[in-house]
Amino acid sequence: GDSVTQMEGPVTLSEEAFLTINCTYTATGYPSLFWYVQYPGEGLQLLLKATKADDKGSNKGFEATYRKETTSFHLEKGSVQVSDSAVYFCALIKAAGNKLTFGGGTRVLVKP
Amino acid sequence: SQTIHQWPATLVQPVGSPLSLECTVEGTSNPNLYWYRQAAGRGLQLLFYSVGIGQISSEVPQNLSASRPQDRQFILSSKKLLLSDSGFYLCAWSLAQETQYFGPGTRLLVL
Repeated sequence: GDSVTQMEGPVTLSEEAFLTINCTYTATGYPSLFWYVQYPGEGLQLLLKATKADDKGSNKGFEATYRKETTSFHLEKGSVQVSDSAVYFCALIKAAGNKLTFGGGTRVLVKP
Repeated sequence: SQTIHQWPATLVQPVGSPLSLECTVEGTSNPNLYWYRQAAGRGLQLLFYSVGIGQISSEVPQNLSASRPQDRQFILSSKKLLLSDSGFYLCAWSLAQETQYFGPGTRLLVL
C-alpha cells in the first residue's frame, strides 16, 4: 500500500538556521504531495503542495520539489524563525483517491 | 471563503459514556468530509470519510461511528467510550479529490 516516510524528530535549530525535513513516499501512479504544519494545540494547516513531477511548492519561505525519480518531497527553509516551531507532516493522495496518507510528523523546535 | 468548525474544542468524558463530536463547513457545497484521529505523539489516522449525505466509508474497525445528516455537517459518535479513544480528532473537507483543509480539532480525554 501507499506510505510516506519522514525523518524522525525532534529537530532543534537556532534562529536563522537552514531547515531540511526529508520525506520519501511509496505509491503507484502519480500522487499529489503535500506538506502540512501543526502549531501547538491547533489543527493542521496546508503549507504547500505539488501535483506533478518537478513541480515546486512554496509558501512562507518554505519550498519542496516533487522528485519522481527519487520519490521524494523534501521540505526546506533557508532561515527559520522561532515562530516556525511546529510539527510538520508530509502527505500524499492518489489521483483518484479520497485518502490522505500521512508521514509520522517531524517536530521542529527553533531556539532564539 | 470556506471555513470549517469543530466543537467542542476540548472534552473530558468518563469511560463508558457516549460521545458526539460535530463538524460543519461553510462556504462550499457537496464537500467530501473526513474524520481523522491523532493519538498523542503520533501521526494521523483516517477514521471515516463521506462523499455525500448519508454516505459513510469506514477505514478502520473501531468503537466509533460517523453520520452525515446534512450536506455540510459531519458527526462522530460513540455509544460507549474506551480509554483508547482519547486523542485529538480532526475534521477535514475537500472538493472531490483535491486538497484537504482541516478544522481546529477536538481534544478528547477519556478517564
